[in-house]
Amino acid sequence: SQQGEEDPQALSIQEGENATMNCSYKTSINNLQWYRQNSGRGLVHLILIRSNEREKHSGRLRVTLDTSKKSSSLLITASRAADTASYFCATPRGFGNEKLTFGTGTRLTIIP
Amino acid sequence: EAGVTQFPSHSVIEKGQTVTLRCDPISGHDNLYWYRRVMGKEIKFLLHFVKESKQDESGMPNNRFLAERTGGTYSTLKVQPAELEDSGVYFCASSQGLRAYEQYFGPGTRLTVT
Repeated sequence: SQQGEEDPQALSIQEGENATMNCSYKTSINNLQWYRQNSGRGLVHLILIRSNEREKHSGRLRVTLDTSKKSSSLLITASRAADTASYFCATPRGFGNEKLTFGTGTRLTIIP
Repeated sequence: EAGVTQFPSHSVIEKGQTVTLRCDPISGHDNLYWYRRVMGKEIKFLLHFVKESKQDESGMPNNRFLAERTGGTYSTLKVQPAELEDSGVYFCASSQGLRAYEQYFGPGTRLTVT
C-alpha cells in the first residue's frame, strides 16, 4: 500500500453529521498534514500535527495521530455542504523533510 | 497577498504535441514544488526548486518533462512530446523558511492529452 493511504476512499453523509477519515503511513515522520481539494480548485492546507502530538483541533476539525500504529484520523464535526471535497493526508519526506507524499484521498460528499 | 497562481487552468493537446505549464509562487517564497495527480491515483511529487536551483527532481517521470525556474521567480514545466499517460492535474506549491513543509498550493492545471 502507499504511504499516506486514506480510508475510506469515498464517504457520503447527511449534513450535520460527523465525518471521519483515516490515514495510514509506513515510515517515520515528524509531522503529518491534512489537505482539502474542492472540485476544480487547488489544495488547501487544513491542519498539521507533529509527531509528538496526539490530538489537535482547529474549528470543526479534529486530528489525531498514533505514531505506534502509524495512523491519523481527521474528524469533521457538524458537516456542511461546503465540506464536500476530497481530503488528503500528506507526510513530508526528503532532504530538508520538505517534499510531500500524499495518499489517494477520501472523497467526502455532504448530502443537504 | 496573492496566492500561488497557475496557467493555464486547463489544456487539451494531442499526443506528440508540446505543452508548457506556468506557476507563479507566492512572492518571496524560495521553495517551489511541482506535483501531479493522474486520474484516480495519488498526488505525486515531481520536483523541488530552491530559488533557481533544482533541489530534488527525483519524481520527474522521464526526460520528456523539463522544468525551469530562471531568476528564481516563476517556473515552467514543459512536456515534450506529450503522451496519453501525461494527462492529469499538475499542481504547483511554494513555501518559505523554517516552515518549508507547509506548502501553499495553486489551483492546478488540468492537462488532457488526446
